[in-house]
Amino acid sequence: QAILTQPSSLSVSPGASASLTCTLRSGLNVGSSYIYWYQKKPGSPPQYLLRYKSDSDKEQGSGVPSRFSGSKDASANAGILLISGLQSEDEADYYCVIWHSTAVVFGGGTKLTVL
Amino acid sequence: QVQLVESGGGVVQPGRSLRLSCAASGFSFSSYGIHWVRQAPGKGLEWVAIIWHDGRNKYYADSVKDRFTISRDNSKNEVYLQTNSLRAEDTALYYCARDKGQDAGMDVWGQGTTVIVSS
Repeated sequence: QAILTQPSSLSVSPGASASLTCTLRSGLNVGSSYIYWYQKKPGSPPQYLLRYKSDSDKEQGSGVPSRFSGSKDASANAGILLISGLQSEDEADYYCVIWHSTAVVFGGGTKLTVL
Repeated sequence: QVQLVESGGGVVQPGRSLRLSCAASGFSFSSYGIHWVRQAPGKGLEWVAIIWHDGRNKYYADSVKDRFTISRDNSKNEVYLQTNSLRAEDTALYYCARDKGQDAGMDVWGQGTTVIVSS
């Protein structure tokens, strides 16, 4: 079982909100984890979006709009990236990341289509 | 401005070696850890290795452990990734990214350097 599982794709209409999930493997606790989110567009390096542990412990990447926010669903053991007011420029691959012991782990990524 | 520039990629035969470099500018290099992250064609992002700001701690992905070695020279503002015993599955775009530690994210990335392992 993968450490981090993300839906492979998601399609959302412009102006709507998108909720991208990142489910931690059983045995890992989302509540104690920092979840990092990155955006990746073709031909460009990844961009750091934000870090989320709790509402009192979070960090927005430099220049990242407040439309991008993080949260958690403890019942699902999942981190969530919420993107509100979707724009065509938000179409990209999104990756969640955690530290697992001494290694960094990337989720498989979600391809977000805005249509 | 704050910048990371990778170099050293190329086409190499299986089993051979390459040394990738990551040159930093515009920030206090010795205060930051540096990661290497790669993306194989058509695949997702894969973390490769990290070296802490002072070089004392280094960690690797299982897929490259014992074949890749990360190092840094804080006097030159550079980080290196020595890649040995290269395999076809190491073919990827390799990025370096900085990390200020204390649970911070990888907030600045280079444009990447391409490694192609092929006979």
